[in-house]
Amino acid sequence: DAKTTQPNSMESNEEEPVHLPCNHSTISGTDYIHWYRQLPSQGPEYVIHGLTSNVNNRMASLAIAEDRKSSTLILHRATLRDAAVYYCILRPHAGGTSYGKLTFGQGTILTVHP
Amino acid sequence: NAGVTQTPKFQVLKTGQSMTLQCAQDMNHNSMYWYRQDPGMGLRLIYYSASEGTTDKGEVPNGYNVSRLNKREFSLRLESAAPSQTSVYFCASSRTWTEWSQPQHFGDGTRLSIL
Repeated sequence: DAKTTQPNSMESNEEEPVHLPCNHSTISGTDYIHWYRQLPSQGPEYVIHGLTSNVNNRMASLAIAEDRKSSTLILHRATLRDAAVYYCILRPHAGGTSYGKLTFGQGTILTVHP
Repeated sequence: NAGVTQTPKFQVLKTGQSMTLQCAQDMNHNSMYWYRQDPGMGLRLIYYSASEGTTDKGEVPNGYNVSRLNKREFSLRLESAAPSQTSVYFCASSRTWTEWSQPQHFGDGTRLSIL
C-alpha cells in the first residue's frame, strides 16, 4: 500500500494561512488523496479530497502536485478552532485489499497561536 | 442531527470481563466501521460492515467480534478484555463502501480502560 509522510507538528498564528504538506511518492493511479482532521477529544472529521486537480471547499483548499507525489492542505485563515491533528490519507479507488479503506498515519499536530 | 452516536463514552473493565460497545447512525448509511486509536497513533480499522448483513475483518480484528444488528446499529464486543485493548474506540459510517467520494462520519469515541 502507498504511504504518506507528514511533518509531526506545525505552528501557526491565528488569521494567517497554513500550508500542511504531505508526501506520497508511491501513490498509484487509483489512489485518491483524502484529508481528515481530529480535534481534541473528538472523532476524525472529513476535510477535503482530490485526485489530480486542485480542490476548494468551505473548509480548505487542496493543492496537488502535477506528478501527484505530494499535496498540500491549505487553511486560508487559521482560527483557534483549527488546532487539531491533520491526517493525509490515500484511499484506493479500485482493486486490492485496501479498496475503500482509510488508513490513518500519525498525522500533523497543528498548533494555532492567538 | 445526531450523526454517529457511541455508548458508553467511558468504561473501566477488569481483565477477563466482557463488554459490548454500541454504535448507531441516523444518516441511513449502508457502511459502518470500528476503529481503535492508541496514544499518539492514528486510527486502525478493527472490523467493518460494507452493508447490512455483512461484516469483514480489518487490520486488527483479534480479540473482537462485531454484529451488524440492523442498518442503523453496529456493535463491537470484547469477549475477554485484556490490558492491550485499552484504547479509544471510534465508530464511523459512510453512505457506501465503494463510493470513494463519500466521507466517513465518526462518533466521538468510547474511552476504554482495562485494568
